[in-house]
Amino acid sequence: DTAVSQTPKYLVTQMGNDKSIKCEQNLGHDTMYWYKQDSKKFLKIMFSYNNKELIINETVPNRFSPKSPDKAHLNLHINSLELGDSAVYFCASSQRDEQYFGPGTRLTVT
Amino acid sequence: AQTVTQSQPEMSVQEAETVTLSCTYDTSESDYYLFWYKQPPSRQMILVIRQEAYKQQNATENRFSVNFQKAAKSFSLKISDSQLGDAAMYFCAYRWGAQKLVFGQGTRLTINP
Repeated sequence: DTAVSQTPKYLVTQMGNDKSIKCEQNLGHDTMYWYKQDSKKFLKIMFSYNNKELIINETVPNRFSPKSPDKAHLNLHINSLELGDSAVYFCASSQRDEQYFGPGTRLTVT
Repeated sequence: AQTVTQSQPEMSVQEAETVTLSCTYDTSESDYYLFWYKQPPSRQMILVIRQEAYKQQNATENRFSVNFQKAAKSFSLKISDSQLGDAAMYFCAYRWGAQKLVFGQGTRLTINP
């Protein structure tokens, strides 16, 4: 049973396209997150939602828009993709202390 | 702003030996959490161990233990009896308040057979 799942796991697209990454958790957690891991493996928070409400929005370009249709889902939509958006994007969820991570989505922009 | 620093980009150890990964952090808070995550080549982020700042006792999980020095803001990870499966990137992370994790730069651990 997958706790936090992401689709797709790999995404290759061209500059200027719009793409979405989906995340679902079946843990019943209230809080979900998006993290970005760059080519140097550095991980940084992008967004956090608690019960469908945005609570953390780090300095992220407006081209990135999270959407939480319900507590179990947090999707990431990216407009006008740029080369610098190439990275691994991780979804995570938590109830209290520990965060559970999805398998990551490797996005490659060509 | 809270920051986490891992000063060792790479470490290597012989199989069955012990290795210690270093982590320091900067915060003005007194109540927070610290974590070590492991990221193998599969890229899955796996929680190795956690420490609550209000607990003086160092956390231990089987072969993994931490040396938490609150005054020095130091949180090192010790891996005993290293195994080939321990080879991975290890990330130190800090959490306070709004629950976002702040990560260090990572340490790549190689296990030599």
